[in-house]
Amino acid sequence: QKEVEQDPGPLSVPEGAIVSLNCTYSNSAFQYFMWYRQYSRKGPELLMYTYSSGNKEDGRFTAQVDKSSKYISLFIRDSQPSDSATYLCAMKVTGTASKLTFGTGTRLQVTL
Amino acid sequence: GAVVSQHPSWVICKSGTSVKIECRSLDFQATTMFWYRQFPKQSLMLMATSNEGSKATYEQGVEKDKFLINHASLTLSTLTVTSAHPEDSSFYICSAPTTGTSAQNEQFFGPGTRLTVL
Repeated sequence: QKEVEQDPGPLSVPEGAIVSLNCTYSNSAFQYFMWYRQYSRKGPELLMYTYSSGNKEDGRFTAQVDKSSKYISLFIRDSQPSDSATYLCAMKVTGTASKLTFGTGTRLQVTL
Repeated sequence: GAVVSQHPSWVICKSGTSVKIECRSLDFQATTMFWYRQFPKQSLMLMATSNEGSKATYEQGVEKDKFLINHASLTLSTLTVTSAHPEDSSFYICSAPTTGTSAQNEQFFGPGTRLTVL
């Protein structure tokens, strides 16, 4: 079993839809949870960063962490074609430079 | 956010040659940097952790003699793919976590280097 599970998709939604992306994990030591967006042939770009459980909102993006269920989510409101990318969840244990454990990434396509 | 650069952005080389990829943190110091490899439509695979002033730590299955890592300063790490072969063709990405008193220590990625070995 992988430490982090993420549905690879692809996920296709119409413009304006609400998108829900999810990851589950097995390591209860993970404390920091991140969502990255990666466009084709580019490096990942940090979207959201959450510590422990709770919600965090930034514009059209909302990140949720439920440590009791070992489940994290990223919601995208009013999705745009420019949101079409691969979304990677990542997490790490406490520590200044502890390495990230990534999900496989979910490919999202927002259609006109 | 912090900026991490990579050079070159793409490189094509002949089989048997060596290729050096640079990773720089432009506006912060990074005592640690990470090197990843990504194959098409797959996630990032951590290859090694680069530590300034000491030896790199390699993940299981990664040949340290083939992928040489040097963390020359607090803003520069290099990855050298020695005697490259076509199966080494991939997208190589580095990242660096910010340090300091912040509890977050966010990790920022470079734009990646696409290596094609003929």
